[in-house]
Amino acid sequence: RKEVEQDPGPFNVPEGATVAFNCTYSNSASQSFFWYRQDCRKEPKLLMSVYSSGNEDGRFTAQLNRASQYISLLIRDSKLSDSATYLCVVNKVNSGYSTLTFGKGTMLLVSP
Amino acid sequence: GAVVSQHPSRVICKSGTSVKIECRSLDFQATTMFWYRQFPKQSLMLMATSNEGSKATYEQGVEKDKFLINHASLTLSTLTVTSAHPEDSSFYICSAEDRSWDTGELFFGEGSRLTVL
Repeated sequence: RKEVEQDPGPFNVPEGATVAFNCTYSNSASQSFFWYRQDCRKEPKLLMSVYSSGNEDGRFTAQLNRASQYISLLIRDSKLSDSATYLCVVNKVNSGYSTLTFGKGTMLLVSP
Repeated sequence: GAVVSQHPSRVICKSGTSVKIECRSLDFQATTMFWYRQFPKQSLMLMATSNEGSKATYEQGVEKDKFLINHASLTLSTLTVTSAHPEDSSFYICSAEDRSWDTGELFFGEGSRLTVL
């Protein structure tokens, strides 16, 4: 089983749609979780951290399920500008050093 | 937020030459920086962890003599691709964590797209 797995997509949705991505991770010692957004040929940028209690930032909601070892990202009222690749990132801190593992990303294409 | 600057953003070189990429943390000190490589339609793959004042830690399968990393100061890490070959063409990205915030968030450089002819 890969350390971090995501459905590569692409997810093709119309503007205004709600779309959800899941990500599973294999290392139960993982300590923190993030969703990054990466536009084509650009560096990844943090979209949001994922907290155990779940968290929401505007149209974006992230959830963590430690028992099942997955995180999710829900995007409501999709905009054209949401088209990007969404990377699931899992962080494990060992002896003070962070080890980040990236999923391959899920591509989202929002159409008019 | 913290800013990480990477230079050059794009480089084209002939096979056999060496290319140096710089990664700078602009408004925070980074004792640890990370170097990644990303091939088209692939995820970011960690190449090495760069530690200020000590040797870098390389991931399995990454040749340390080919990818030289120097982290001479708390704000600068460099990656040198030695004797580059076409298969080294890739998107190289550095990142650093601002430990003063203790969020675990990584800040990424803009990336360097290397094309070896």
